[in-house]
Amino acid sequence: DAGVTQSPTHLIKTRGQQVTLRCSPKSGHDTVSWYQQALGQGPQFIFQYYEEEERQRGNFPDRFSGHQFPNYSSELNVNALLLGDSALYLCASSSIQGATNEKLFFGSGTQLSVL
Amino acid sequence: SQQGEEDPQALSIQEGENATMNCSYKTSINNLQWYRQNSGRGLVHLILIRSNEREKHSGRLRVTLDTSKKSSSLLITASRAADTASYFCATDTGANSKLTFGKGITLSVRP
Repeated sequence: DAGVTQSPTHLIKTRGQQVTLRCSPKSGHDTVSWYQQALGQGPQFIFQYYEEEERQRGNFPDRFSGHQFPNYSSELNVNALLLGDSALYLCASSSIQGATNEKLFFGSGTQLSVL
Repeated sequence: SQQGEEDPQALSIQEGENATMNCSYKTSINNLQWYRQNSGRGLVHLILIRSNEREKHSGRLRVTLDTSKKSSSLLITASRAADTASYFCATDTGANSKLTFGKGITLSVRP
């Protein structure tokens, strides 16, 4: 039973570029949340997807967008990258039927460096 | 913004000793959870305590919740070198669909 998988594991971009991060949830899970974790900080909620719709959004600008596909996998897109976007991006999955926030399963993350 | 604030920021103990970590939060919660993170990678769920519970155990973990003080503590008994990691508390207010994490505690267990 595969857990949450994220790709790529590392990414280096330059300012102004665009990036797409991918996530496959744990088998049986239908809800995907994205978090940004800056160095030395706790994860910050970006948004959550369920039934291909954005259910909830954190305090992030519109440069951050996402998508969920019919197979529950998800993408996080960031446009016009800034140096401050350098962080570990974590995907977490859960089941809406199991109460969405009762237990999140996290992937290993994508380390994004913006130069 | 971060709802949970862990204390201390860093903790160093000898293998076999107990480790106690504290978390304070600001608003009413539905539940509080503790997660562990090794080397800046993915987080692993450790334990959840609901707002109507005061104490829970799971293996070597014991978590308490005091809703009147808006605080929680995580106790790891008989610590091992493998417990070396960052620990985060996260709160679920139930009002929306997100968990709010604190800044974390770095635990070092010396062999």
